[in-house]
Amino acid sequence: EPEVTQTPSHQVTQMGQEVILRCVPISNHLYFYWYRQILGQKVEFLVSFYNNEISEKSEIFDDQFSVERPDGSNFTLKIRSTKLEDSAMYFCASVAGAGGNEQFFGPGTRLTVL
Amino acid sequence: AQSVTQLGSHVSVSEGALVLLRCNYSSSVPPYLFWYVQYPNQGLQLLLKYTSAATLVKGINGFEAEFKKSETSFHLTKPSAHMSDAAEYFCAVSTRMDTGRRALTFGSGTRLQVQP
Repeated sequence: EPEVTQTPSHQVTQMGQEVILRCVPISNHLYFYWYRQILGQKVEFLVSFYNNEISEKSEIFDDQFSVERPDGSNFTLKIRSTKLEDSAMYFCASVAGAGGNEQFFGPGTRLTVL
Repeated sequence: AQSVTQLGSHVSVSEGALVLLRCNYSSSVPPYLFWYVQYPNQGLQLLLKYTSAATLVKGINGFEAEFKKSETSFHLTKPSAHMSDAAEYFCAVSTRMDTGRRALTFGSGTRLQVQP
């Protein structure tokens, strides 16, 4: 069964460093998302991406964040200069198309900022 | 704007007892509603979804939920709890709009404990 994959599973970085989190959505899906979950808190929407551009973003998704679909398969989230409060689990999700409504989630990347 | 409220951050039931996890939503347009389950150190797995078809929705692992528009609720139930049901459960709403506006808004989650 097709699934969303994410790498790495765990990333440790120093404050101020750049990180890139990678996701491979399900191959025929068209809509892509990033969410984050700070430890012990609820899952929060960061950004949605469709047709090679951001379609919606939350107030969390400030200038330190960017997303890219560099090729036909990967979908990346970059944090330019990490802060301690960026430590969280980051989930990627994808949806099949205009008629689809189920978001398929990846297993997540745990980001730890020291 | 859309929002989800899950009543009860922790619910504890005995094995074999009824599970009831509460979810109320707010949405300015007809919603899609979802329940996700998260096991420790794992991602989110879809349990079931409501997308304007039958109001009683059956999902995996014996769970079901009923959409009640008049009460703006989408409570999750299971007749008989199993030890393996212990997990965090999230209710989420996604508005039914055109391309793009499909982000999920999650509730704060309910941690289900199942006592032997």
